[in-house]
Formats: sequence, structure tokens, C-alpha cells
Amino acid sequence: GAVVSQHPSRVICKSGTSVKIECRSLDFQATTMFWYRQFPKKSLMLMATSNEGSKATYEQGVEKDKFLINHASLTLSTLTVTSAHPEDSSFYICSAQANPNEKLFFGSGTQLSVL
Amino acid sequence: GNSVTQMEGPVTLSEEAFLTINCTYTATGYPSLFWYVQYPGEGLQLLLKATKADDKGSNKGFEATYRKETTSFHLEKGSVQVSDSAVYFCALPLWGGSQGNLIFGKGTKLSVKP
Repeated sequence: GAVVSQHPSRVICKSGTSVKIECRSLDFQATTMFWYRQFPKKSLMLMATSNEGSKATYEQGVEKDKFLINHASLTLSTLTVTSAHPEDSSFYICSAQANPNEKLFFGSGTQLSVL
Repeated sequence: GNSVTQMEGPVTLSEEAFLTINCTYTATGYPSLFWYVQYPGEGLQLLLKATKADDKGSNKGFEATYRKETTSFHLEKGSVQVSDSAVYFCALPLWGGSQGNLIFGKGTKLSVKP
């Protein structure tokens, strides 16, 4: 099946720094990519939807200036957590979709720890 | 928007035991319902889905029936194997009918002992 690569799998950073997480569709062109966040013992929550070449659509309560999403090509989307703080520590997962209503393929996630 | 509630784990079973993981939802209309599985070190994968009421999704011995009267989509397997050890997520679209903007349950970690 299709593969979505997410990198890094784990990152530890100091408070105030920015962290970039990459999501790549390796063998298909993803017109849409999604970013999720999971707090410990909580549901996996959709943060934003990004379509190639356009601005991301953020879900309610997600700070767009804090979580910058770029989807500049059909195979790459990035999530940048700007000026990270300990409360941003979480598990972030991306998914990619070739066309609307087609199957979703997920990355293996990134565990972010902000000290 | 829609929402989903999933039985919390962890669940530990012996091989060949029967598995049920409960999932209930609230939704406008009748959206498609999904079960995803995440094996250790891998990304989430679609396990099965049902697109309308009374549909039964099935895959790898797992089944789930879309029950609108009880707004449930419980996952079942008659005889689990060690290789079924994973985290299972119930999901449905956050809004509309799109498969992409999913909302997930908290996940249920299943451990199957030999």
C-alpha cells in the first residue's frame, strides 16, 4: 500500500525554539494532508487540513500562528511548532489523501517533548 | 460537529479469546464509520469501514456493524492472535461526509498473550 513518511519520529527541544515536522507521501501525490494531535490518554484530534498550494484550514481552537502548516508540493507538508512551550508537548500525526474521499494513509507520528 | 466515544483500555487477552471494543458516536446524518489500527512502530491503517446503517465492515477476522438505533460501531473478533496486538481507533468524519477530516476515539491498546 501507499506509504507516508513522517520525520522526525521523536524530538526534544528547549522552550522557545521552533520545531519542524515533515510529512511526505512517498509513492503518490497527496492533494490533501491532515495534521492531528494526541494528548496522553486523549483522543486523536484533527488540527488542520491542508490542500496543496493553498492555505491550511484550521479547526476551532488551533492557533494558526503557533502551528504553521505548509503544503508547497503534492508530496510534502510541514508542520512548524513555533516558539514551543511545554504545553505543546504531544504526539503529532499526519495523514495524506490522493483525492477527496479516497483512502487515508498515515505517518507513524512524531513525539514532541518541550523542556 | 460529530463525536466518538471509545472504550478505554488497555485490554489484555489470551490467544483465541473473543474481543469486543465498544464504540459509540453522535453525528448529524449517517456518516461513514471506521476502525483504524496502529501496530507498534507503524502509522494508522484502515482496518474496516461501513458506509451506511446496518452495513457490516470486515477485515482480517474483525467485524463491526453500523447500528443507527444504538449509534454504535463495536469492533469484534472471535479469536484473537498475538499478531493482533495493537492500538485500535474508532473514527468518523468530524463534519460532512468526507473521509479525510476524521475524528478519532482515544484508542484502545490490545495486548494478546500466547
